[in-house]
Amino acid sequence: EVQLLESGGGLVQPGGSLRLSCAASGFTFSDFAMNWVRQAPGKGLEWVAAITGNGGSTYYGDSVRGRFTISRDNSKNTLYLQMNSLRGEDTALYYCAKRAIVGPTGVGFGDYWGQGTLVTVSS
Amino acid sequence: IVLTQSPDFQSVTPKEKVTITCRASQSVGDHLHWYQQKPDQSPKLLIKSASQSFSGVPSRFSGSGSGTDFTLTINSLEAEDAATYYCHQSSILPLTFGGGTKVEIK
Repeated sequence: EVQLLESGGGLVQPGGSLRLSCAASGFTFSDFAMNWVRQAPGKGLEWVAAITGNGGSTYYGDSVRGRFTISRDNSKNTLYLQMNSLRGEDTALYYCAKRAIVGPTGVGFGDYWGQGTLVTVSS
Repeated sequence: IVLTQSPDFQSVTPKEKVTITCRASQSVGDHLHWYQQKPDQSPKLLIKSASQSFSGVPSRFSGSGSGTDFTLTINSLEAEDAATYYCHQSSILPLTFGGGTKVEIK
């Protein structure tokens, strides 16, 4: 059974930093690209970032490029999102999602999602 | 790529048929997928690649379309289908989602 468990969310001041983690189990982690997707309170879904299964390539949405860094540790089956220079508009529930299609390269849509971790940026 | 869903909201009686459309600002081929999100839950994949049902999804859910125009159909709506439905394209980065369609049960 695929399981994704996000952690690391919390309250942070504007300009601050936070690192999110996503612990994966139930599948061969290194075979799949991973995504971070966020959802502001009462709003829709926004893709944040993706990383290929081998970690060799990363991709970002325009709103976070240059501030956020996606990474993974395949030996620990864990995905990360380092968030710097946080802004109020980054306040959201952050989900990790496993790519639906197997392969060490390439990125794409997710089939399984975690329950999310809440990030609140406020002074 | 901008995905425009319609309607934004729909109030439907059980056993009715529901149709939700998603229009892409440029062709995405068949790289269009549909998710269901119930309140306080994470999104669940319903339909992948425009028309392929994901594992375990009830047969009343179906998808169609290609290029720029897509449809999600729920035949014979059930009370448990109350949720917000999102379309999502994976043809071109950045990946994008539609704004969502909230389906309420009358």
